[in-house]
Amino acid sequence: AQSVTQPDIHITVSEGASLELRCNYSYGATPYLFWYVQSPGQGLQLLLKYFSGDTLVQGIKGFEAEFKRSQSSFNLRKPSVHWSDAAEYFCAVGFYSSASKIIFGSGTRLSIRP
Amino acid sequence: SAVISQKPSRDICQRGTSLTIQCQVDSQVTMMFWYRQQPGQSLTLIATANQGSEATYESGFVIDKFPISRPNLTFSTLTVSNMSPEDSSIYLCSVNLGTSDEAFFGQGTRLTVV
Repeated sequence: AQSVTQPDIHITVSEGASLELRCNYSYGATPYLFWYVQSPGQGLQLLLKYFSGDTLVQGIKGFEAEFKRSQSSFNLRKPSVHWSDAAEYFCAVGFYSSASKIIFGSGTRLSIRP
Repeated sequence: SAVISQKPSRDICQRGTSLTIQCQVDSQVTMMFWYRQQPGQSLTLIATANQGSEATYESGFVIDKFPISRPNLTFSTLTVSNMSPEDSSIYLCSVNLGTSDEAFFGQGTRLTVV
């Protein structure tokens, strides 16, 4: 079955430190991959997306993610976090064979230590 | 991109009643999706709504509880029927502009059932 896993429920990092949020998917082919961010009381904002080509994709707010087919992973990274990055982060996967529906991971809550 | 308007933005309802949520898109789209986000949880896909056909429901969701209409290519409604406190969630409408495009989301409807 198709699935998306975000193994880290909550991560705390110090401001200025680097960040990596993990995402793994289960699917028989290469899916479409997304990272969304949801700030408290706010809607969902797309950070970046991968469809094909270069496996390292750049997004907004200084985020990047790398698709690793061999590991079925699409981890999100940022070299230096800011206090404003505190939010909930969702990895999402689109499956072409399933009429473009997108499945979301359980989310990782990011807290920033001053 | 797509601009999605949802109504109402929030509501407080009595148990046993029903609420219909409207979703209007500023462009014609083939498929629209309805998600539920329970408090502190991720987004769960309820159903996919195609114009001119019955909605396709995900496991755990049934038409009697969440009837969906899709009268044209820019509009859809989701009804939450016979509500109980467990239905208190944010309900989000989403569209894809193509099979490989990102999902665009409305701001959601925050439903509280008392």
